[in-house]
Amino acid sequence: EVQLVESGGGLVQPGGSLRLSCAASGFTFSSYWMNWVRQAPGKGLEWVAKINQGGSEKYYVDSVKGRFTISRDDAKNSLYLQMNSLRAEDTALYYCVRGRNGAGDYWGQGTLVTVSS
Amino acid sequence: QSALTQPPSASGSPGQSVTISCTGTSSDVGGYNYVSWYQQHPGKAPKLMIYEVTKRPSGVPDRFSGSKSGNTASLTVSGLQAEDEADYYCGSSAVNNNYVFGTGTKVTVL
Repeated sequence: EVQLVESGGGLVQPGGSLRLSCAASGFTFSSYWMNWVRQAPGKGLEWVAKINQGGSEKYYVDSVKGRFTISRDDAKNSLYLQMNSLRAEDTALYYCVRGRNGAGDYWGQGTLVTVSS
Repeated sequence: QSALTQPPSASGSPGQSVTISCTGTSSDVGGYNYVSWYQQHPGKAPKLMIYEVTKRPSGVPDRFSGSKSGNTASLTVSGLQAEDEADYYCGSSAVNNNYVFGTGTKVTVL
């Protein structure tokens, strides 16, 4: 059974940093693109970043470029999102999502990030 | 990259059909056959319902179908059931290896 379990969310002040983690199991993690998708409270979905197999290609939504870094550790079956210079508008539930056939076919339950003073 | 445009709401009675549109541009929906649809119930993670415009993942009922014409994709839910009441989002691959979601549609079963 495919499982994606996010962790690392919490309350952080504006300008602060946070590192999200996603533990994957039930599939060959190293064979898949992986994504982070976020959803602000009561709002829609927003794709944040994606990384290819091996980690040589990384892509970001414009609003987080230069502030967020996606990475992966295939030996640990883990995906990460380093978030720096956090802003109030980054407040959201962050989902770890497996990529396949140009879509997100499995989603974690999310970890909540709140940016507030 | 702007969000794809969906109607805020749609509704139908049990057994009827409802169709949701998803309008983008030639830089996303119109330029790629990687349009997908997601169902999200309150407090739950989204679930993939359609990928590559028309394909259904294993376990998704054939009441759900997808199509695309030009810059607009559509999701049709036939034979509406109470459990189909949820938010639905389209998504599409986009230029520069981006990905963009739709604004979301709340489907109500009357």
